[in-house]
Amino acid sequence: DQQVKQNSPSLSVQEGRISILNCDYTNSMFDYFLWYKKYPAEGPTFLISISSIKDKNEDGRFTVFLNKSAKHLSLHIVPSQPGDSAVYFCAAISNFGNEKLTFGTGTRLTIIP
Amino acid sequence: KAGVTQTPRYLIKTRGQQVTLSCSPISGHRSVSWYQQTPGQGLQFLFEYFSETQRNKGNFPGRFSGRQFSNSRSEMNVSTLELGDSALYLCASSFADSYGYTFGSGTRLTVV
Repeated sequence: DQQVKQNSPSLSVQEGRISILNCDYTNSMFDYFLWYKKYPAEGPTFLISISSIKDKNEDGRFTVFLNKSAKHLSLHIVPSQPGDSAVYFCAAISNFGNEKLTFGTGTRLTIIP
Repeated sequence: KAGVTQTPRYLIKTRGQQVTLSCSPISGHRSVSWYQQTPGQGLQFLFEYFSETQRNKGNFPGRFSGRQFSNSRSEMNVSTLELGDSALYLCASSFADSYGYTFGSGTRLTVV
C-alpha cells in the first residue's frame, strides 16, 4: 500500500527552465510534507518542507505547493541547473498516531545543459 | 559536527548468511530510523528506535531486526539473507519529536 506516490519515475528538463516534480498521497492524516534530494552513493538530503496549514513554501529556487483537497504536492525548481540532476523523494508524516516518515518511490530529474 | 555514519559502506553476502549493519547518529540525536531503498520501491521504512526502544516498525519480515544502544548507536540485523534483500540500507537520525532527519550515506548490501 503505497501511501505516497510519485508517478513519474524520471523527468528531463532543459537547463534554465522550470522543473516540476509531483507527488500524491492517500493518507489524510499526513500533515507535514518534505522533499529530499539524493545523489548516487549518498544518503538523501533535506531540501524543503511544508506544513498542512500552508499551501506554499518557498526557499530560493525551490517552491513547494500543497493542495490538500487533491492530496497533491509539487516541487518547482526554477531556474533548473545541472547540479539539480538527482533523484527527488517526496515524504510525508503525521503528527497523530504512528509517526514515521513515509517516502514516495522517487523521481529521477535530469537537467539537460 | 560529524554526520550520520554508517558502516560498512559495501557488503557482499551469500544467501542464507546473516548480516549486521551499524549506524552512528549525529551527537545528541536520540531517534534512529532505518530504511531500505530498492529500485522502483523508493525508501521503505524498516523501524525506528528512540532511547533504546523500538518505537515504530514497518512491514518487513521478522528476519529484519534492530537495536539501539545507550549511546544512541544502532544496529540492524538481517538473518537468513535472500537475494531480494539486496538493497541500499539507509539510517537517519533526528532529535526527539523533530522532522529534521539527517541520513547517512547508506550501506550497499549485495546478496549473491
